[in-house]
Amino acid sequence: NAGVTQTPKFQVLKTGQSMTLQCAQDMNHNSMYWYRQDPGMGLRLIYYSASEGTTDKGEVPNGYNVSRLNKREFSLRLESAAPSQTSVYFCASSLTGLVTEAFFGQGTRLTVV
Amino acid sequence: AQSVAQPEDQVNVAEGNPLTVKCTYSVSGNPYLFWYVQYPNRGLQFLLKYITGDNLVKGSYGFEAEFNKSQTSFHLKKPSALVSDSALYFCAVRDNYGQNFVFGPGTRLSVLP
Repeated sequence: NAGVTQTPKFQVLKTGQSMTLQCAQDMNHNSMYWYRQDPGMGLRLIYYSASEGTTDKGEVPNGYNVSRLNKREFSLRLESAAPSQTSVYFCASSLTGLVTEAFFGQGTRLTVV
Repeated sequence: AQSVAQPEDQVNVAEGNPLTVKCTYSVSGNPYLFWYVQYPNRGLQFLLKYITGDNLVKGSYGFEAEFNKSQTSFHLKKPSALVSDSALYFCAVRDNYGQNFVFGPGTRLSVLP
């Protein structure tokens, strides 16, 4: 099983450019998440989707949009990239419920210059 | 609101010695706690979780964690450290609605040969 697959793995953008980070999972999970990881700050939730057709803002949603295309796929879009969005982005998925762990993709390292 | 603290940015331990990575939490309601490990340029991998029951939880790769309700702690332990255990470790708690994970800032573990 592939688990959680993210594309691309690396990306360099110029300020103001847009891009979409793709994520797909093959574990039939209802819940999917987008996090960003910055040094010393752990992982911060950008958006999550509890089920197909629903999305909710997390801790740091500004500058991002998401689409839950179907049960498998959850994309993250940067409409106008800013240097503050330079980070490592992780997609994750989990079964519904309090006691279930999350499974993570390998991450996208994004640099905005 | 839920929060997680990892009081040590860095833990150094000699190979073969026991290791402890500390985590304290603040939740309203029952705590559902998780430990993840991140190796360089990889996504997070699940190690273990506390749901209810025994205060000592056993997980992957010989790791275990001790839940202490009175001290609101969930410390990660291993009796004998390996060089290959060197990585970044994250403690996390589920939010009350089961919709999200709140992560600590991470602790970098270095096991010295």
